[in-house]
Amino acid sequence: EPEVTQTPSHQVTQMGQEVILRCVPISNHLYFYWYRQILGQKVEFLVSFYNNEISEKSEIFDDQFSVERPDGSNFTLKIRSTKLEDSAMYFCASRARSTYEQYFGPGTRLTVT
Amino acid sequence: GNSVTQMEGPVTLSEEAFLTINCTYTATGYPSLFWYVQYPGEGLQLLLKATKADDKGSNKGFEATYRKETTSFHLEKGSVQVSDSAVYFCALSEGLASGSRLTFGEGTQLTVNP
Repeated sequence: EPEVTQTPSHQVTQMGQEVILRCVPISNHLYFYWYRQILGQKVEFLVSFYNNEISEKSEIFDDQFSVERPDGSNFTLKIRSTKLEDSAMYFCASRARSTYEQYFGPGTRLTVT
Repeated sequence: GNSVTQMEGPVTLSEEAFLTINCTYTATGYPSLFWYVQYPGEGLQLLLKATKADDKGSNKGFEATYRKETTSFHLEKGSVQVSDSAVYFCALSEGLASGSRLTFGEGTQLTVNP
C-alpha cells in the first residue's frame, strides 16, 4: 500500500541553524501539507501546497519557513534559523484530487538545543 | 474560524468495555469529519471519515455518525482491546479546495488494561 515517507526520523540542531525536513508524498497525490505537533499539544496546520505554490498558510508559518517541491517526488520544509520553540514533531501529509482524506507520514522529530 | 473540541482525557478502560470519545465542532460551512489515531511512537493514521450529515464512518469496529443538528462526531466502539491503546484525534476539513487544512481537536489518550 502506498505511503508517505519522511526523513530524517529525528533531527537535532542548534538554535540559529537551518534545517530541511524531507517528505515523499504518495505518488499520484496532488495536494501536500505540513503540520506540527509540539509535545503534548494538538496537531497544528502549517501550510498547504498545490500546483507548485502555497495554497494556504497559518500564522505559525512566518518568514523563517519555506516549502519547496524540488522534483517530481520530494516535498521539503525549510526552517531558516531555528528557535527553541520550533522543537516539535513535523508531519507531512498528502491528498489525491477529489478525495477528502489526507494521509500522513510517520513524522520527523525536530529537537532544537 | 473552525474549531474541534474533544472530551478531556485521558480515558482508561478495561478490555471489552464500551468506548465513547466525544467530539463537537464549529465550522462556517459543511465540513468533512475524521477520526485519526496515533499509536505510541508512530504517525497519524486515518481511522474513519464522514463527508455529509447523517453519514456513519466505520473501521476496525469503531464507528462515528456525523450529527449536523448537534455538531458532533462521537467515536464509539463496543468492545475495546489492549491494542486500541493510542491517542485519538477528531478533525475537520472544509471541502476539496486546494487549501483544505485539517483542524484537529486536542486528542484523547486511551489506555485499555487487560
